[in-house]
Amino acid sequence: GENVEQHPSTLSVQEGDSAVIKCTYSDSASNYFPWYKQELGKGPQLIIDIRSNVGEKKDQRIAVTLNKTAKHFSLHITETQPEDSAVYFCAAGYTGNQFYFGTGTSLTVIP
Amino acid sequence: NAGVTQTPKFRVLKTGQSMTLLCAQDMNHEYMYWYRQDPGMGLRLIHYSVGEGTTAKGEVPDGYNVSRLKKQNFLLGLESAAPSQTSVYFCASTRVGEQFFGPGTRLTVL
Repeated sequence: GENVEQHPSTLSVQEGDSAVIKCTYSDSASNYFPWYKQELGKGPQLIIDIRSNVGEKKDQRIAVTLNKTAKHFSLHITETQPEDSAVYFCAAGYTGNQFYFGTGTSLTVIP
Repeated sequence: NAGVTQTPKFRVLKTGQSMTLLCAQDMNHEYMYWYRQDPGMGLRLIHYSVGEGTTAKGEVPDGYNVSRLKKQNFLLGLESAAPSQTSVYFCASTRVGEQFFGPGTRLTVL
């Protein structure tokens, strides 16, 4: 099956700085790469996703890049704010099938 | 729409007891999933279903059973609970792409 690795496990940034979280995957057949944000005591919520036919996608302060050749994808958050503090998960898989999640990154934005 | 709901929110069991977790979705989604979340291990798929009456094993299915008798409901059963099943359980559903997660069930097995 798929193996997804995520780094770093914890990340602290000053408010206004950028944060980058990286993931690698093993199955070249994976075609869907979502990123989820999980706040304390809640279920994960999708913040952005990318499909294998796209190299980059942006939504306001959040962007995701995908390098299919190297099998890695990254989440970029610019102009971080305290409300961005949460645990972020990457995942890889096939649309309509099972996804494999990374182990999560705990992001702390310091005011 | 309520989205994805889970019942109960918290539960404490003794080793060997059984219980059923209920997941319900009102979005007419075909696919439903059960995950467990443990510290440092992310979300691991237990079982999933691609439609009413169908189920399939995920990464960590041992000790769990599931049923999908109705499209909107996905049940996760523990026949004989063990301390290793102490975890937070999340249900999710999707049509294609984005998975919508429930709020989770925190289960403690003593």
